[in-house]
Amino acid sequence: EVQLVESGGGLVQPGGSLRLSCAASGVTLSAYNINWVRQAPGKGLEWVSYISSVTPSHIYYADSVKGRFTISRDNAKNSVYLQINSLRAEDTAIYYCANSYGTGWHYFESWGRGTLVTVSS
Amino acid sequence: QTVVTQEPSFSVSPGGTVTLTCGLSSGSVTTSHYPSWYQLTPGQAPRTLISNTDTRSSRIPDRFSGSILGNKAALTITGAQADDESDYYCVVYMGGGIWVFGGGTKVTVL
Repeated sequence: EVQLVESGGGLVQPGGSLRLSCAASGVTLSAYNINWVRQAPGKGLEWVSYISSVTPSHIYYADSVKGRFTISRDNAKNSVYLQINSLRAEDTAIYYCANSYGTGWHYFESWGRGTLVTVSS
Repeated sequence: QTVVTQEPSFSVSPGGTVTLTCGLSSGSVTTSHYPSWYQLTPGQAPRTLISNTDTRSSRIPDRFSGSILGNKAALTITGAQADDESDYYCVVYMGGGIWVFGGGTKVTVL
């Protein structure tokens, strides 16, 4: 099972930016598709974005974040990133990364413990 | 926009059976939506239970099973235990690289 670790969360003012990271230890993250999923306080899970393992990457976003969020990967650093701009209060959430691969592309196999993003003035 | 529907809550007695469902506001959930199920406990990483409708993930007890019931995906817990008390989410693949989660079901074991 892949062990994923998210980082980069924190307190940011509305309109600000953050870059979240998803890293893995002991495995080559480039072999996996990576999804970002978030959970706002008291709310359910929301799929946010996907980047494929193949090059060039296939990238998808939920409508709620399109134009403000950018997913990318740096295989040399064994990491996937989620750049989040123009932050709004409703972006306050725990952000999880989750992997998929091969014929299991359609589900989220392993998850990290998440990183908390708080948008507040 | 299609909404994925789940029951807000369920209560089950220890040793009992409960079936959670996952439907669409418009149309039916089929195997082509590759429905999967996740358990979410506060402070822990989400746990993958079922993928591709009915494939149990490794190390998941066989009291968890997935299926299609009518026009919905379903997660059945047979012989519920106290530590099954949690929130359960389904997600369906809508095509075009888009996944949509249901609103989650809170299961209480008492």
